[in-house]
Amino acid sequence: QQQVKQSPQSLIVQKGGISIINCAYENTAFDYFPWYQQFPGKGPALLIAIRPDVSEKKEGRFTISFNKSAKQFSLHIMDSQPGDSATYFCAASMSGATNKLIFGTGTLLAVQP
Amino acid sequence: DTGVSQDPRHKITKRGQNVTFRCDPISEHNRLYWYRQTLGQGPEFLTYFQNEAQLEKSRLLSDRFSAERPKGSFSTLEIQRTEQGDSAMYLCASSFGDGRDTEAFFGQGTRLTVV
Repeated sequence: QQQVKQSPQSLIVQKGGISIINCAYENTAFDYFPWYQQFPGKGPALLIAIRPDVSEKKEGRFTISFNKSAKQFSLHIMDSQPGDSATYFCAASMSGATNKLIFGTGTLLAVQP
Repeated sequence: DTGVSQDPRHKITKRGQNVTFRCDPISEHNRLYWYRQTLGQGPEFLTYFQNEAQLEKSRLLSDRFSAERPKGSFSTLEIQRTEQGDSAMYLCASSFGDGRDTEAFFGQGTRLTVV
């Protein structure tokens, strides 16, 4: 019940295209869903996050779509750029004592010029 | 403020040796987390501090692992009698809040290689 399942494992997109990464969760107590971006040799950096009271959140080229009934959420990267090439992790946590993050297994995105 | 700082960035050690990592969180962040990340996987939670109190430890944290956060500032993670399976990236993260705000900022990690 603590798992967050992420797909695909890897993704190749042409410059200017749309990158879509999907995640699913089981624990309905999760109430915070962030996406992290990680470059090689670096720690994860928060990209965008959503709470289940909204179905969509957009920040620049990045959009999270959230489907509470299906227990799924996805990251859309519009107009993908070579600089977006990185590993993306979805995560989930529940408000409470620790707010620890449960991460998906990651998606390696390569944006070809 | 330069963000979450971890030291060292890389550590190579022989099996059976003890190692200690340090994490300096963002100033005034009361929450501090340690995660472990192996190749091709997402970070896995190890332990959590609220100020100086260690409030949660994962089952992943065997008795060879110990973490401290004296005075609620920097934190150390020690691994005793290292094993090859301990080879991983150890990430520290910090955040500020009383329960709902969970935006966590990660350091660049310490990559441990046990040979």
